[in-house]
Amino acid sequence: DGGITQSPKYLFRKEGQNVTLSCEQNLNHDAMYWYRQDPGQGLRLIYYSQIVNDFQKGDIAEGYSVSREKKESFPLTVTSAQKNPTAFYLCASSIFPAGPEIRNSPLHFGNGTRLTVT
Amino acid sequence: SQQGEEDPQALSIQEGENATMNCSYKTSINNLQWYRQNSGRGLVHLILIRSNEREKHSGRLRVTLDTSKKSSSLLITASRAADTASYFCATDARGNNRLAFGKGNQVVVIP
Repeated sequence: DGGITQSPKYLFRKEGQNVTLSCEQNLNHDAMYWYRQDPGQGLRLIYYSQIVNDFQKGDIAEGYSVSREKKESFPLTVTSAQKNPTAFYLCASSIFPAGPEIRNSPLHFGNGTRLTVT
Repeated sequence: SQQGEEDPQALSIQEGENATMNCSYKTSINNLQWYRQNSGRGLVHLILIRSNEREKHSGRLRVTLDTSKKSSSLLITASRAADTASYFCATDARGNNRLAFGKGNQVVVIP
């Protein structure tokens, strides 16, 4: 079955430590995204990548870093510079480009990683 | 960045009733998408409606789009307990290269 795998499901870290969240997809999608979800805040875009070896900052990129060395993989590192890292992190992928009428095609999401930093 | 806003934020209904939620947005869009999220899980795409469409159906789901009012509604007919989830609208604004999500609308269907 095609899909997106995020691991681990739960992650605990001490303050001051960097932590890397894994995201792998076998949908052959070019575009991949990282979102952060906090209660009552909806989804906020951290980083996205539309092609291998290229990525763009989203709305809340500070304190995060990403890499896109392979089409299938888009890991997210939460650095010690992120002031409030405890959150639910969602990875997604989509077809890109979507076509002339649909600039942003539907997203396929993983089941998330809940990160707790104490 | 532009964002959809769902209204109402939380809805509790009896199984078998219909559930309606609305989404408003601020700028011109290419399309609008609705997603469902079960507790602790990722979002699942439900339906996409293009800016030149007014209504779209998918099973028990009915989505309408009024571009003059910059709003959309999602209707779930004959709700089931399994429909209990949060529902998000996401707008594909012209000139943007990413979707903008609303804050979500929690629906509880009581068996």
